[in-house]
Amino acid sequence: GAGVSQTPSNKVTEKGKYVELRCDPISGHTALYWYRQSLGQGPEFLIYFQGTGAADDSGLPNDRFFAVRPEGSVSTLKIQRTERGDSAVYLCASSSQPGTSTDTQYFGPGTRLTVL
Amino acid sequence: AQSVAQPEDQVNVAEGNPLTVKCTYSVSGNPYLFWYVQYPNRGLQFLLKYITGDNLVKGSYGFEAEFNKSQTSFHLKKPSALVSDSALYFCAVTHRGAGNNRKLIWGLGTSLAVNP
Repeated sequence: GAGVSQTPSNKVTEKGKYVELRCDPISGHTALYWYRQSLGQGPEFLIYFQGTGAADDSGLPNDRFFAVRPEGSVSTLKIQRTERGDSAVYLCASSSQPGTSTDTQYFGPGTRLTVL
Repeated sequence: AQSVAQPEDQVNVAEGNPLTVKCTYSVSGNPYLFWYVQYPNRGLQFLLKYITGDNLVKGSYGFEAEFNKSQTSFHLKKPSALVSDSALYFCAVTHRGAGNNRKLIWGLGTSLAVNP
């Protein structure tokens, strides 16, 4: 596609439920990033994929959060036992020259997650 | 640790006047600096970046930014503001993490309001 797409655009769930957020990166981009943006804050890094593997998951807040990218393209962020504090906009970005100084991340529109 | 500061929560400017959105940074080593813009209910859009070379960087939509190493600043500028420039602007710096990850470290954002 022309840009990064994310689905759903909005997700409302109840505390304790499981959710999956999907990201479809720009075609051919090998690097994929997940960030979380809380209200009034800048984005906060969660996890980075290079190809199929999670090369850096140091930003995941706890073991309720997990992400996969099984075929090196689409990625799914999974949150178990959701808590109200998980409410935020989850952003996905992709890039074509990871690890280089000229690399630029391009972002999707985000998924707004609300945990009631 | 890498960090970015945007000292102004909000900037107001009249249409047609020049605008400046401020950003200062703290990094070890050479900084790779970025500006993104976020419109309501839309994702982050890349505006411009500084990697090396000329201190004045030109980007999308008539924006430019000036890198000043001695003042550790990377202010965003535009000679003549448009009402359509009203949005949330984020400054970011890359941080090298595990696995060649170049995650972005973000400021808190500055809300720009251009008044007709």
